[in-house]
Amino acid sequence: EPEVTQTPSHQVTQMGQEVILRCVPISNHLYFYWYRQILGQKVEFLVSFYNNEISEKSEIFDDQFSVERPDGSNFTLKIRSTKLEDSAMYFCASSATYRDEQFFGPGTRLTVL
Amino acid sequence: GDSVTQMEGPVTLSEEAFLTINCTYTATGYPSLFWYVQYPGEGLQLLLKATKADDKGSNKGFEATYRKETTSFHLEKGSVQVSDSAVYFCALLGGFKTIFGAGTRLFVKA
Repeated sequence: EPEVTQTPSHQVTQMGQEVILRCVPISNHLYFYWYRQILGQKVEFLVSFYNNEISEKSEIFDDQFSVERPDGSNFTLKIRSTKLEDSAMYFCASSATYRDEQFFGPGTRLTVL
Repeated sequence: GDSVTQMEGPVTLSEEAFLTINCTYTATGYPSLFWYVQYPGEGLQLLLKATKADDKGSNKGFEATYRKETTSFHLEKGSVQVSDSAVYFCALLGGFKTIFGAGTRLFVKA
């Protein structure tokens, strides 16, 4: 069964450093998403992406964040200058259309020291 | 805006007990509704879904019915197992995003 994959599974970084989280969505899906879950809290939407453009973003997704689909298979989330409060689990998701359920990857745990 | 409210946990049950986790939603229109499960240390797995009013989603013994009149999507299972211990998230699909409830942690004792 096709699945969304994410790398790395765990990333540790120093405050102020840039990080790139990577995702490989399901191959025939056209819509891509990033969510985050601070430990013990709810899952929060960050951004949706379609046709090489951001479709929607939350207030969390400020200028420190960016997304990119650098090739036909990868979808990345970049945080330019990490803060302590960026420590969270980051989930990538994809869907065939915007009306279909979103399939989630296993997540990347980001720890900012 | 759209939102999901689910019962606070943790919920602690003995094996073979009946489970209900309440979920209500607020949304414009008629969104698709989901239950996701998160086992310890793992990601989000889709447990079941319903796309229109009166639909019943079911999977692995879990069921939930889309009730438009009460804007609810309560999760039920007739007989829980220790392996069902996890966090359960109710969610709706609104526009370009999935909106999650806060999650309900379930502990099942042998």
